[in-house]
Amino acid sequence: AQSVTQLGSHVSVSEGALVLLRCNYSSSVPPYLFWYVQYPNQGLQLLLKYTTGATLVKGINGFEAEFKKSETSFHLTKPSAHMSDAAEYFCAVSEAGSARQLTFGSGTQLTVLP
Amino acid sequence: KAGVTQTPRYLIKTRGQQVTLSCSPISGHRSVSWYQQTPGQGLQFLFEYFSETQRNKGNFPGRFSGRQFSNSRSEMNVSTLELGDSALYLCASSLDGVGADTQYFGPGTRLTVL
Repeated sequence: AQSVTQLGSHVSVSEGALVLLRCNYSSSVPPYLFWYVQYPNQGLQLLLKYTTGATLVKGINGFEAEFKKSETSFHLTKPSAHMSDAAEYFCAVSEAGSARQLTFGSGTQLTVLP
Repeated sequence: KAGVTQTPRYLIKTRGQQVTLSCSPISGHRSVSWYQQTPGQGLQFLFEYFSETQRNKGNFPGRFSGRQFSNSRSEMNVSTLELGDSALYLCASSLDGVGADTQYFGPGTRLTVL
């Protein structure tokens, strides 16, 4: 069975500082990996996804993530935080070949301090 | 192109009642998935439909059911509501739910069971 672990349910950074949100997964087969963002009272918006190929994935709003198979990690980063980045972030995994059933991590609430 | 729409956005029911939630996918999308989001359990997969057939089902009791119509619109039904069913129910659509198909989420229906 697949599982996702997000280290740190709450992360605070100063505006302009580096954002690092951690995600580790377990899967018996090479998975597809996703990062979604959720703003208050809204659904989930896809930031980026890894399927195959290049392990450094660039997404929207300046976010990127690197797939490290040896570490079973898919950490999300952004060089410079903006106030509008404050939201909840979810890492998700699906079995390669089928992205229709996502297993989500417990989420990380990002606070950006002025 | 219009996004995924869900109706109603908010619902209040009492224990023992039943409820039906509706989801209209993005035009051209044929796969619809449903997720339950609660503070305690996080985001959990309920089921996925494609071409009016349930292809995947999560680990939820039989009180949770769904269906999909020929126009890809989907409904989910919860019978004999329990307090623990209070949650945000999210619907997601994708083209066909295979490969690295991206799931696009709606804003959700907030169900409160009293």
